Formats: sequence, structure tokens, C-alpha cells
Amino acid sequence: RKEVEQDPGPFNVPEGATVAFNCTYSNSASQSFFWYRQDCRKEPKLLMSVYSSGNEDGRFTAQLNRASQYISLLIRDSKLSDSATYLCVVNMENTGNQFYFGTGTSLTVIP
Amino acid sequence: DVKVTQSSRYLVKRTGEKVFLECVQDMDHENMFWYRQDPGLGLRLIYFSYDVKMKEKGDIPEGYSVSREKKERFSLILESASTNQTSMYLCASSSTESGNTIYFGEGSWLTVV
Repeated sequence: RKEVEQDPGPFNVPEGATVAFNCTYSNSASQSFFWYRQDCRKEPKLLMSVYSSGNEDGRFTAQLNRASQYISLLIRDSKLSDSATYLCVVNMENTGNQFYFGTGTSLTVIP
Repeated sequence: DVKVTQSSRYLVKRTGEKVFLECVQDMDHENMFWYRQDPGLGLRLIYFSYDVKMKEKGDIPEGYSVSREKKERFSLILESASTNQTSMYLCASSSTESGNTIYFGEGSWLTVV
């Protein structure tokens, strides 16, 4: 079983739509959670950290559910520039500070 | 801002050649990583290092070695490149003091012919 699992998509949504991605993780000892954005042929870049209380950054909202072991990312009012692959990342400090990555969810926002 | 620099962005090498990929970070991070990323397979950890001269194997270390002689520099070495090592290689660094956020370099695109 993979440590982190994401629906690969693709998600094709019209501009202005709201879209949500989920990610599940298998190890309940996981400590830190993140969403990264990766554009085609570029490196992953931090979009936002995910906190237990949930957090929001403009049109982006991240939630963590420890009981069910999943994290989510909600994008409101989608823009063309949101088209990218979104990676779910989990850090488990008790394994020597290794990070576990989902394979990414592809989003295309259509005009 | 954290800066992770991979000096070689695009390389074409012949089968059997020795390949060096260099990575430098400027934030005094203790942890450094080398990943490769292939379509459909996501990011796979090759090696990581949590201190100078320390290294740990990741999920796919075969055919690779690493060197960390200075805290800011982490090198990936392909002793004898093979075509199945054609990939994008990503260097990264992290620190507990930086909230365990991982920062990536721009990537090195290696083609082995």
C-alpha cells in the first residue's frame, strides 16, 4: 500500500468553478502535511502547509482530518493559471525526516 | 527565500559515462535529498543525507551514489549511466527549524543515449 494516495485525475473544470482534491495517508504517525503545486517540466513549489485547524490562503483552503487520515485542498473561483499538478506531501519525523509524496492530481482550467 | 541550485539543467550523456549532478542550498539546512521523477511514477527517493558525510539509501539507490562533503552541497553520481536512468532529477533540502518544509531545485533533465 502506498504511503500517500491521490486521485490522479485529470480534473477539467471551467473557469470560476470550485474544485476539491483529496489525499489519504497510511501512517497515523505522520506529523506534517503540505500541498505543493507543480507546473509542467518545473519543480514542485510549496502551495500551503496544512494545519489541524484548517487554513485558508485566498482562494485556497486546506483541511486535515487526522481521524480519517486524509487532507483536502479546495480551490474556489478557478483561474486559468491554476492549471497544474497538485502534490500531496506528508512528513514523518520518526522515519528520519523523510517525505512521502502522492503522484499528483492534474488540474486543467478551461476558458 | 530558500534557494536550492542545481547547476546542470540539461544533460545528454552516453551509456557508460560517469555523470555528476551538483546541488547547493543556501539556507543551512541539515537535510538534503535526491529524487527522480518519471511520468506516472511520481517522485522517488534515491538518497538523502541528514548531516555532512552522512547518507542514507532511499527507495531506488541502485546505480547511484552520493557525496556530502560540505553542509550546503549534495552531489549525485551515476557511476555508469544507463538508458533507464533518463529522467528528471530533483535535489531538495529541508530543516526542522524551517517547519519541515521541503524545497526543491529547478531540476536536472538527464538523457542517456
